[in-house]
Amino acid sequence: DSGVTQTPKHLITATGQRVTLRCSPRSGDLSVYWYQQSLDQGLQFLIQYYNGEERAKGNILERFSAQQFPDLHSELNLSSLELGDSALYFCASSAGGRDTQYFGPGTRLTVL
Amino acid sequence: AQTVTQSQPEMSVQEAETVTLSCTYDTSESNYYLFWYKQPPSRQMILVIRQEAYKQQNATENRFSVNFQKAAKSFSLKISDSQLGDTAMYFCAFMNHNDYKLSFGAGTTVTVRA
Repeated sequence: DSGVTQTPKHLITATGQRVTLRCSPRSGDLSVYWYQQSLDQGLQFLIQYYNGEERAKGNILERFSAQQFPDLHSELNLSSLELGDSALYFCASSAGGRDTQYFGPGTRLTVL
Repeated sequence: AQTVTQSQPEMSVQEAETVTLSCTYDTSESNYYLFWYKQPPSRQMILVIRQEAYKQQNATENRFSVNFQKAAKSFSLKISDSQLGDTAMYFCAFMNHNDYKLSFGAGTTVTVRA
Protein backbone atom coordinates (compact mmCIF):
# COMPACT_ATOMS: atom_id res chain seq x y z
CA ASP A 1 0.00 0.00 0.00
CA SER A 2 1.59 3.25 -1.20
CA GLY A 3 -0.56 5.50 0.98
CA VAL A 4 -2.09 7.19 -2.08
CA THR A 5 -5.82 6.59 -2.41
CA GLN A 6 -7.97 6.92 -5.50
CA THR A 7 -11.72 6.70 -5.92
CA PRO A 8 -13.60 5.17 -7.56
CA LYS A 9 -11.74 2.00 -8.55
CA HIS A 10 -13.92 1.47 -11.59
CA LEU A 11 -16.10 3.80 -13.59
CA ILE A 12 -18.31 2.89 -16.51
CA THR A 13 -20.02 5.67 -18.39
CA ALA A 14 -21.29 6.66 -21.83
CA THR A 15 -19.84 8.87 -24.52
CA GLY A 16 -20.49 12.54 -24.01
CA GLN A 17 -20.69 12.26 -20.23
CA ARG A 18 -18.56 13.92 -17.55
CA VAL A 19 -16.78 12.17 -14.67
CA THR A 20 -14.62 13.16 -11.72
CA LEU A 21 -11.73 11.09 -10.42
CA ARG A 22 -10.48 11.75 -6.93
CA CYS A 23 -7.04 11.32 -5.37
CA SER A 24 -5.72 11.73 -1.84
CA PRO A 25 -1.92 11.95 -1.61
CA ARG A 26 0.29 10.33 1.02
CA SER A 27 0.35 12.15 4.31
CA GLY A 28 2.79 15.06 4.04
CA ASP A 29 3.13 15.00 0.27
CA LEU A 30 2.53 18.33 -1.45
CA SER A 31 2.84 17.26 -5.10
CA VAL A 32 0.17 15.38 -7.00
CA TYR A 33 0.56 14.01 -10.51
CA TRP A 34 -1.97 12.48 -12.90
CA TYR A 35 -1.05 9.86 -15.50
CA GLN A 36 -3.08 8.01 -18.11
CA GLN A 37 -2.29 4.42 -19.08
CA SER A 38 -3.83 3.16 -22.31
CA LEU A 39 -3.00 0.27 -24.60
CA ASP A 40 -2.12 2.44 -27.57
CA GLN A 41 -0.27 5.29 -25.84
CA GLY A 42 1.26 3.63 -22.80
CA LEU A 43 1.81 5.66 -19.64
CA GLN A 44 1.54 9.39 -20.21
CA PHE A 45 1.90 12.33 -17.86
CA LEU A 46 -1.14 14.58 -17.78
CA ILE A 47 -0.65 17.28 -15.14
CA GLN A 48 1.10 18.15 -11.87
CA TYR A 49 0.01 20.24 -8.90
CA TYR A 50 2.15 21.44 -6.02
CA ASN A 51 0.49 22.76 -2.88
CA GLY A 52 -2.60 23.84 -4.77
CA GLU A 53 -0.92 25.34 -7.82
CA GLU A 54 -0.55 23.88 -11.27
CA ARG A 55 3.13 23.27 -11.97
CA ALA A 56 3.36 21.31 -15.20
CA LYS A 57 1.15 20.15 -18.02
CA GLY A 58 1.70 17.22 -20.29
CA ASN A 59 -0.47 15.68 -22.97
CA ILE A 60 -3.73 16.68 -21.32
CA LEU A 61 -6.71 17.27 -23.56
CA GLU A 62 -8.69 20.51 -23.29
CA ARG A 63 -11.71 18.42 -22.30
CA PHE A 64 -9.78 17.39 -19.18
CA SER A 65 -9.12 19.60 -16.18
CA ALA A 66 -7.79 19.14 -12.70
CA GLN A 67 -7.36 20.95 -9.43
CA GLN A 68 -5.76 20.49 -6.05
CA PHE A 69 -7.69 21.59 -3.00
CA PRO A 70 -6.45 23.21 0.25
CA ASP A 71 -6.50 19.81 1.98
CA LEU A 72 -4.18 18.65 -0.87
CA HIS A 73 -6.54 16.13 -2.41
CA SER A 74 -6.89 16.41 -6.15
CA GLU A 75 -9.63 15.83 -8.69
CA LEU A 76 -9.35 15.10 -12.39
CA ASN A 77 -12.41 16.06 -14.40
CA LEU A 78 -13.00 14.44 -17.77
CA SER A 79 -15.79 15.82 -19.93
CA SER A 80 -17.39 15.12 -23.32
CA LEU A 81 -16.02 11.62 -22.97
CA GLU A 82 -15.05 9.63 -26.04
CA LEU A 83 -14.40 5.92 -26.50
CA GLY A 84 -10.68 6.66 -26.71
CA ASP A 85 -10.67 8.07 -23.18
CA SER A 86 -11.09 4.56 -21.81
CA ALA A 87 -7.93 3.96 -19.79
CA LEU A 88 -6.43 3.46 -16.37
CA TYR A 89 -5.89 6.82 -14.67
CA PHE A 90 -3.22 6.98 -12.00
CA CYS A 91 -2.58 9.57 -9.39
CA ALA A 92 0.88 9.77 -7.82
CA SER A 93 2.23 11.92 -5.03
CA SER A 94 5.62 13.04 -3.79
CA ALA A 95 6.96 15.27 -1.06
CA GLY A 96 8.42 17.68 -3.59
CA GLY A 97 9.35 17.86 -7.24
CA ARG A 98 12.50 15.75 -7.22
CA ASP A 99 11.25 13.16 -4.77
CA THR A 100 10.10 9.71 -5.72
CA GLN A 101 6.54 9.50 -6.92
CA TYR A 102 4.31 6.91 -5.27
CA PHE A 103 1.31 5.73 -7.21
CA GLY A 104 -2.25 5.09 -6.18
CA PRO A 105 -4.15 1.97 -7.28
CA GLY A 106 -5.67 3.75 -10.27
CA THR A 107 -9.18 4.31 -11.58
CA ARG A 108 -10.27 2.15 -14.48
CA LEU A 109 -12.48 4.25 -16.77
CA THR A 110 -14.58 2.53 -19.42
CA VAL A 111 -16.47 4.69 -21.89
CA LEU A 112 -19.21 2.85 -23.78
CA ALA B 1 11.34 15.63 -24.96
CA GLN B 2 13.02 12.69 -23.38
CA THR B 3 12.43 9.25 -24.85
CA VAL B 4 12.79 6.01 -22.98
CA THR B 5 13.23 2.78 -24.90
CA GLN B 6 12.69 -0.73 -23.62
CA SER B 7 13.60 -3.06 -26.44
CA GLN B 8 12.39 -6.31 -24.85
CA PRO B 9 8.59 -6.60 -24.90
CA GLU B 10 8.61 -9.95 -23.05
CA MET B 11 11.04 -12.04 -21.05
CA SER B 12 10.70 -15.39 -19.33
CA VAL B 13 12.88 -16.70 -16.53
CA GLN B 14 13.01 -19.83 -14.40
CA GLU B 15 12.41 -19.43 -10.69
CA ALA B 16 15.66 -18.73 -8.79
CA GLU B 17 17.43 -17.65 -11.98
CA THR B 18 18.57 -14.15 -12.95
CA VAL B 19 17.06 -11.90 -15.60
CA THR B 20 18.25 -8.55 -16.92
CA LEU B 21 15.95 -5.93 -18.45
CA SER B 22 17.30 -3.28 -20.80
CA CYS B 23 16.48 0.41 -20.90
CA THR B 24 18.01 3.24 -22.87
CA TYR B 25 17.06 6.89 -22.79
CA ASP B 26 17.75 10.01 -24.73
CA THR B 27 18.49 13.32 -23.06
CA SER B 28 20.78 16.32 -23.39
CA GLU B 29 20.62 16.97 -19.66
CA SER B 30 23.35 15.95 -17.23
CA ASN B 31 21.29 15.90 -14.05
CA TYR B 32 18.31 13.57 -13.90
CA TYR B 33 16.76 10.60 -12.15
CA LEU B 34 15.97 7.10 -13.36
CA PHE B 35 13.49 4.62 -11.97
CA TRP B 36 12.18 1.13 -12.42
CA TYR B 37 8.55 0.55 -11.55
CA LYS B 38 6.80 -2.80 -11.41
CA GLN B 39 3.16 -3.35 -12.40
CA PRO B 40 1.86 -6.79 -11.35
CA PRO B 41 -1.48 -8.16 -12.56
CA SER B 42 -3.19 -6.07 -9.86
CA ARG B 43 -2.18 -3.03 -12.00
CA GLN B 44 -0.67 -1.21 -9.01
CA MET B 45 2.50 0.73 -9.93
CA ILE B 46 5.20 -0.15 -7.42
CA LEU B 47 8.59 1.51 -7.17
CA VAL B 48 11.41 -0.98 -7.52
CA ILE B 49 14.52 1.19 -7.56
CA ARG B 50 15.73 4.77 -8.07
CA GLN B 51 19.06 6.07 -9.40
CA GLU B 52 20.37 9.63 -9.34
CA ALA B 53 22.46 10.46 -12.41
CA TYR B 54 25.11 12.26 -10.34
CA LYS B 55 25.80 9.10 -8.33
CA GLN B 56 28.34 6.75 -9.88
CA GLN B 57 27.44 3.89 -7.59
CA ASN B 58 24.73 1.61 -8.93
CA ALA B 59 21.60 1.40 -6.79
CA THR B 60 20.54 -1.89 -5.23
CA GLU B 61 17.42 -2.98 -3.38
CA ASN B 62 17.61 -6.53 -2.08
CA ARG B 63 17.42 -8.81 -5.16
CA PHE B 64 17.12 -5.86 -7.56
CA SER B 65 20.13 -3.98 -8.87
CA VAL B 66 20.84 -1.65 -11.75
CA ASN B 67 23.70 -1.14 -14.15
CA PHE B 68 23.78 2.59 -14.86
CA GLN B 69 25.99 3.59 -17.76
CA LYS B 70 25.65 7.37 -18.07
CA ALA B 71 27.79 7.80 -21.18
CA ALA B 72 25.87 5.10 -22.99
CA LYS B 73 22.54 6.38 -21.59
CA SER B 74 21.73 2.89 -20.45
CA PHE B 75 19.93 1.79 -17.28
CA SER B 76 19.38 -1.96 -17.00
CA LEU B 77 17.65 -3.81 -14.17
CA LYS B 78 18.87 -7.15 -12.87
CA ILE B 79 16.52 -9.37 -10.90
CA SER B 80 18.43 -12.05 -9.01
CA ASP B 81 16.95 -15.22 -7.51
CA SER B 82 13.70 -14.62 -9.39
CA GLN B 83 10.50 -15.40 -7.49
CA LEU B 84 7.01 -16.12 -8.76
CA GLY B 85 5.88 -12.82 -7.25
CA ASP B 86 8.25 -10.97 -9.57
CA THR B 87 5.92 -11.77 -12.49
CA ALA B 88 4.85 -8.32 -13.68
CA MET B 89 5.36 -5.65 -16.28
CA TYR B 90 8.43 -3.54 -15.57
CA PHE B 91 8.65 0.08 -16.65
CA CYS B 92 11.77 2.16 -16.93
CA ALA B 93 11.16 5.86 -16.24
CA PHE B 94 13.13 9.10 -16.59
CA MET B 95 12.75 12.38 -14.73
CA ASN B 96 14.67 15.54 -15.48
CA HIS B 97 15.98 17.44 -12.45
CA ASN B 98 13.87 20.52 -13.22
CA ASP B 99 10.89 18.90 -14.94
CA TYR B 100 9.23 16.62 -12.49
CA LYS B 101 7.12 14.49 -14.78
CA LEU B 102 8.02 10.87 -15.36
CA SER B 103 8.56 9.69 -18.94
CA PHE B 104 8.00 5.96 -19.24
CA GLY B 105 9.20 3.28 -21.59
CA ALA B 106 6.74 0.86 -23.19
CA GLY B 107 7.42 -1.80 -20.55
CA THR B 108 8.79 -5.33 -20.43
CA THR B 109 6.58 -8.20 -19.33
CA VAL B 110 8.50 -10.61 -17.11
CA THR B 111 7.13 -14.08 -16.47
CA VAL B 112 8.76 -16.21 -13.78
CA ARG B 113 8.24 -19.95 -14.39
CA ALA B 114 8.00 -22.44 -11.55
